[in-house]
Amino acid sequence: DTEVTQTPKHLVMGMTNKKSLKCEQHMGHRAMYWYKQKAKKPPELMFVYSYEKLSINESVPSRFSPECPNSSLLNLHLHALQPEDSALYLCASSLRTGFGYTFGSGTRLTVV
Amino acid sequence: AQRVTQPEKLLSVFKGAPVELKCNYSYSGSPELFWYVQYSRQRLQLLLRHISRESIKGFTADLNKGETSFHLKKPFAQEEDSAMYYCALSEDSGGSNYKLTFGKGTLLTVNP
Repeated sequence: DTEVTQTPKHLVMGMTNKKSLKCEQHMGHRAMYWYKQKAKKPPELMFVYSYEKLSINESVPSRFSPECPNSSLLNLHLHALQPEDSALYLCASSLRTGFGYTFGSGTRLTVV
Repeated sequence: AQRVTQPEKLLSVFKGAPVELKCNYSYSGSPELFWYVQYSRQRLQLLLRHISRESIKGFTADLNKGETSFHLKKPFAQEEDSAMYYCALSEDSGGSNYKLTFGKGTLLTVNP
């Protein structure tokens, strides 16, 4: 298995809803990442997990809450989002430095 | 702070013509550089990494530390090369997690 799988592919949520994005990889990668990508813009780093511990939080608002239950899974819990949070949310993983990331296909989130 | 500059937002060439997508970086340490490609409605894919010095889909990229550049080249462009191309710089943490910073991207269109 050489893929990063993200579910759901599309999500529409209201500003008072609570939802979660899921990311899974079975490549033995020990680092996992959440990125946010707006239309026609590059991905922007949100969080980095290394060996299931949060190692980087790029000053992301607390309405986004990451979780890494085990080395294969990464979740992003969403609560009280704003319409401007609508974007493509990408998960990625990496084995180690110099090999680049493997990206999932993303969850396209729309906040209404 | 690390920074990646892709000076061309859009690049249009004809099929069979050479193509060069420019990337310049600034980084105080030893850089690790990558090219990612995002075809329409597809996931972000790793195209090249500088440490491997390989050729993928006819593309090559050489790291020039003197000019702090990592330009992507292909001698004969094909229509299927039309996509968004991102240059990315990794901060080498020495471990299995690192921070990847993307340039703003160049949208390549190859015309028939």
